[in-house]
Amino acid sequence: EIVMTQSPATLSVSPGERATLSCRASQSVSSNLAWYQQKPGQAPRLLIYGASTRATGIPARFSGSGSGTEFTLTISSLQSEDFAIYYCQQYNNWPPLTFGGGTKVEIK
Amino acid sequence: QVQLVESGGGLVKPGGSLRLSCAASGFTFSDYYMSWIRQAPGKGLEWVSYISSGYTIYYADSVRGRITISRDNANNSLFLQMNSLRAEDTAIYYCARGGNLWYFDLWGRGTLVTVSS
Repeated sequence: EIVMTQSPATLSVSPGERATLSCRASQSVSSNLAWYQQKPGQAPRLLIYGASTRATGIPARFSGSGSGTEFTLTISSLQSEDFAIYYCQQYNNWPPLTFGGGTKVEIK
Repeated sequence: QVQLVESGGGLVKPGGSLRLSCAASGFTFSDYYMSWIRQAPGKGLEWVSYISSGYTIYYADSVRGRITISRDNANNSLFLQMNSLRAEDTAIYYCARGGNLWYFDLWGRGTLVTVSS
């Protein structure tokens, strides 16, 4: 099973600032990585797939990068609606499909 | 409207059974693989099960032997039959649609399953 580790667990950022979230895989997942955003009481929403491709309707301030075992989600200028929990998920080697433990982005 | 709507959750005693349903609308359900993903209270996401459009099925080790996924393409529905439920199965269960590969591009709002005596 591929273990996905996200860091930090919590990121405190001021509105308008840049946020950088990390996701590490226990073995290479190539570019088969997705990022999701989840707000309280809501279902997750797909942000990025293929490590760097934005899903339909996702603003350009969200960008993904990386391949192999190291990945990054960058939010270039945080808006109020971006404060949420972010999860990465690998789909290169499964079952099982595995998610990271999440990074909570909170207002500083 | 493209959406997934789960139902069937509730309170059940340990060892009991429950059947979850997911109604799909706004897209050609039979073209897509589907999964169930769960989230224990205050915890992260855990993939539970997958069924392809061609009925290939996979389960997480934590539920194999106790859970059965199925689909009814004629009625645009996905199901999860859950037996021998344990306290650790307590979670919100989400129905999710697969993208071009095995990520999830559409999620339902979830249905809460609580296993408690």
